[in-house]
Amino acid sequence: QKEVEQNSGPLSVPEGAIASLNCTYSDRGSQSFFWYRQYSGKSPELIMSIYSNGDKEDGRFTAQLNKASQYVSLLIRDSQPSDSATYLCAVFSGGYNKLIFGAGTRLAVHP
Amino acid sequence: GAGVSQSPSNKVTEKGKDVELRCDPISGHTALYWYRQSLGQGLEFLIYFQGNSAPDKSGLPSDRFSAERTGGSVSTLTIQRTQQEDSAVYLCASGTSPSYEQYFGPGTRLTVT
Repeated sequence: QKEVEQNSGPLSVPEGAIASLNCTYSDRGSQSFFWYRQYSGKSPELIMSIYSNGDKEDGRFTAQLNKASQYVSLLIRDSQPSDSATYLCAVFSGGYNKLIFGAGTRLAVHP
Repeated sequence: GAGVSQSPSNKVTEKGKDVELRCDPISGHTALYWYRQSLGQGLEFLIYFQGNSAPDKSGLPSDRFSAERTGGSVSTLTIQRTQQEDSAVYLCASGTSPSYEQYFGPGTRLTVT
């Protein structure tokens, strides 16, 4: 089992829809959770961080964390073609004492 | 303020040569990570620093790879006797702590011919 797992996609959604990206992690000692967006040929860009159970909203983005289920998700409301990118889930693992990335989910928003 | 910077942005080298990649973290950031990303692949952890010490070097692929950080700031990643499989984008990220937000630099694209 990988430490951080994501569906590779592609996840295809129409413009204006909600995109839902999911991530599971194996280490129950994980403390902090992040979502990064990576456009093709560019470096990852931090878009959300979440540290406690529940929802955290920032503009069109909502991060959701459920530590009991070892699950973190990212919702993108009113998806735009400019949101088309690979979304990376990252978890700071207490057990490994380092930040671990999932392989990423490719999102395609079509007009 | 200034973000993470990396140099060079591109490096083409011949197989067997040594290369040195540089990362300038955001001022005041004590945590610094190095990752490698091959074309179409995910991020491969290499090493991270907390201050000048490297608690975890487990990701370095071989003893040809080494990294150091001086003055709690600039870090260099050195690859000796480069091989074609070393070709990738090398990314650096820094943060105020290893467990908090990390911000990436633009990367160095290394091509070994």
